[in-house]
Amino acid sequence: GQSLEQPSEVTAVEGAIVQINCTYQTSGFYGLSWYQQHDGGAPTFLSYNALDGLEETGRFSSFLSRSDSYGYLLLQELQMKDSASYFCAVRDQGGKLIFGQGTELSVKP
Amino acid sequence: DSGVTQTPKHLITATGQRVTLRCSPRSGDLSVYWYQQSLDQGLQFLIQYYNGEERAKGNILERFSAQQFPDLHSELNLSSLELGDSALYFCASSAINSGTNNEQFFGPGTRLTVL
Repeated sequence: GQSLEQPSEVTAVEGAIVQINCTYQTSGFYGLSWYQQHDGGAPTFLSYNALDGLEETGRFSSFLSRSDSYGYLLLQELQMKDSASYFCAVRDQGGKLIFGQGTELSVKP
Repeated sequence: DSGVTQTPKHLITATGQRVTLRCSPRSGDLSVYWYQQSLDQGLQFLIQYYNGEERAKGNILERFSAQQFPDLHSELNLSSLELGDSALYFCASSAINSGTNNEQFFGPGTRLTVL
């Protein structure tokens, strides 16, 4: 089977840096994706790692270690609008995503 | 706006009934995915279609079925509805079946309430 673990909640203040960890157990691993979802809205793609290392996209970065079955999403210079749920998802070769339960990020002033 | 459309936006029905949710993928996208999101839960993968053919199945109940039509739109049929089927149902599409990042573009969802 496949399972992903990520913290249920994280709180941080504006301007700070926060890291959301994700560990996974899966067969047929092809890559790790991150999605953002604001309250009941459509999830939107943030980042994808297929190989070990760090991918940077503006204020967001994502890291993957395939040997450790571990990844993280790093959010820098936090803004109030970053308050949302963040999901890691394992992608298999066929393209489907298996999502974690999500981490609710609250950004405080 | 992701380019993926879903109808209806809201659906309220009774237990035992049957409903059909509709999804139109982004122009040119061949893969369609269906997900269920219950209250405060993650997204559960239900089923994937690629160019009209079923490609992968997740934890989809036997009471649920789906299909993708020649024009690439997809429908998810939910029958013998139970209270526990109340959830947000998302459709997503992607440009290619495998390859690069396979970013999935999600529609706005259909909120199903079973009373």
